[in-house]
Amino acid sequence: GAVVSQHPSRVICKSGTSVKIECRSLDFQATTMFWYRQFPKKSLMLMATSNEGSKATYEQGVEKDKFLINHASLTLSTLTVTSAHPEDSSFYICSARDLDRENIQYFGAGTRLSVL
Amino acid sequence: SQKIEQNSEALNIQEGKTATLTCNYTNYSPAYLQWYRQDPGRGPVFLLLIRENEKEKRKERLKVTFDTTLKQSLFHITASQPADSATYLCALGCAGGNNRLAFGKGNQVVVIP
Repeated sequence: GAVVSQHPSRVICKSGTSVKIECRSLDFQATTMFWYRQFPKKSLMLMATSNEGSKATYEQGVEKDKFLINHASLTLSTLTVTSAHPEDSSFYICSARDLDRENIQYFGAGTRLSVL
Repeated sequence: SQKIEQNSEALNIQEGKTATLTCNYTNYSPAYLQWYRQDPGRGPVFLLLIRENEKEKRKERLKVTFDTTLKQSLFHITASQPADSATYLCALGCAGGNNRLAFGKGNQVVVIP
């Protein structure tokens, strides 16, 4: 399967700081990437759809000024959690859609964010 | 309202037996359905995709069925092994709309040696 790299895998930060998470498709070009959030024993919740060269599409209830998404190239999308607060602590996962492989979404390993 | 239901109780199964998981959905018309495996603290790993016009798909020890009349997919792991212990997620995909996926909560499988 295709490879998606997500970095960092874990981050601990103080309240009020901003955290950037990177998602890279390593062996394919991804015009579309997705950002999810997952709480313990819950399903993946789609936060936003990131399209290369255009603005991200956010799901209802997701603050776009809080979760900044940039998809500047066909292999990289970033999610920045701005002015993080303890309630932002969660598991964030990205995925990239491979058009050459039946539009299957391939996922990164996830980022565990802990805001103190 | 839209729902994707997977059994919340873990499936404990003896090594060598077949594990069968169910995914039921309501108020969706998926063009395809995917199954993923997720280990604790990790991102989901793609396993199989089955389209609405397909009844069954196989890959090695895995088999997926898709019944659009029952609005149900079954996921089978034959000759289960302890390494198959994980949470399995079903995800529904609708044509268009960037091919977004809607996920179930997942069903944990524990294979007992």
